[in-house]
Amino acid sequence: NAGVTQTPKFQVLKTGQSMTLQCAQDMNHEYMSWYRQDPGMGLRLIHYSVGAGITDQGEVPNGYNVSRSTTEDFPLRLLSAAPSQTSVYFCASIQSSGNTIYFGEGSWLTVV
Amino acid sequence: AQSVTQLGSHVSVSEGALVLLRCNYSSSVPPYLFWYVQYPNQGLQLLLKYTTGATLVKGINGFEAEFKKSETSFHLTKPSAHMSDAAEYFCAVSRMDSSYKLIFGSGTRLLVRP
Repeated sequence: NAGVTQTPKFQVLKTGQSMTLQCAQDMNHEYMSWYRQDPGMGLRLIHYSVGAGITDQGEVPNGYNVSRSTTEDFPLRLLSAAPSQTSVYFCASIQSSGNTIYFGEGSWLTVV
Repeated sequence: AQSVTQLGSHVSVSEGALVLLRCNYSSSVPPYLFWYVQYPNQGLQLLLKYTTGATLVKGINGFEAEFKKSETSFHLTKPSAHMSDAAEYFCAVSRMDSSYKLIFGSGTRLLVRP
């Protein structure tokens, strides 16, 4: 997973708390995405970005905000955490040809 | 819209037996196809991918997959299973357009019996 850095790796939140999952890449990729992984459901797209200043919703965007002020960074914000957001989160950075995708190592989030 | 179907949430094989994990996709445009492996409490590792060209794709750890457009399939195989192959496997498809969104299957957990 060279080039995509996700933090934190583990986090426990209380219901209603807010937090930001950080994602940074140093490959100058325009395309970045956030996924969540839940048992039996594979990975589902939360939000994605096709360049600085441009974001769009994926399959499961509710409860999450994103912004893309720079090419390098694509943070995911949980404004008011809910137990349903307990999941593993993956950030991805995509080469412009679309055929090479780099994933971060994942962030394990538990909301109690 | 694109979708990916992985047949069998769990597949169990004996060590040394053939591994066959099934993946079917739907896509209105030519797809890129991927197989990822995930070991417990770890991230995703790319096994192999199909973009263009040869339809039989060889990946790491002895795995290969064949893109069959007529069957809209991209099944993953390995001739002889090892205990170390026990993991969860995900098939994914992406669009060759400006979004490059990856759509994942629900995953297949491979169990290898001694």
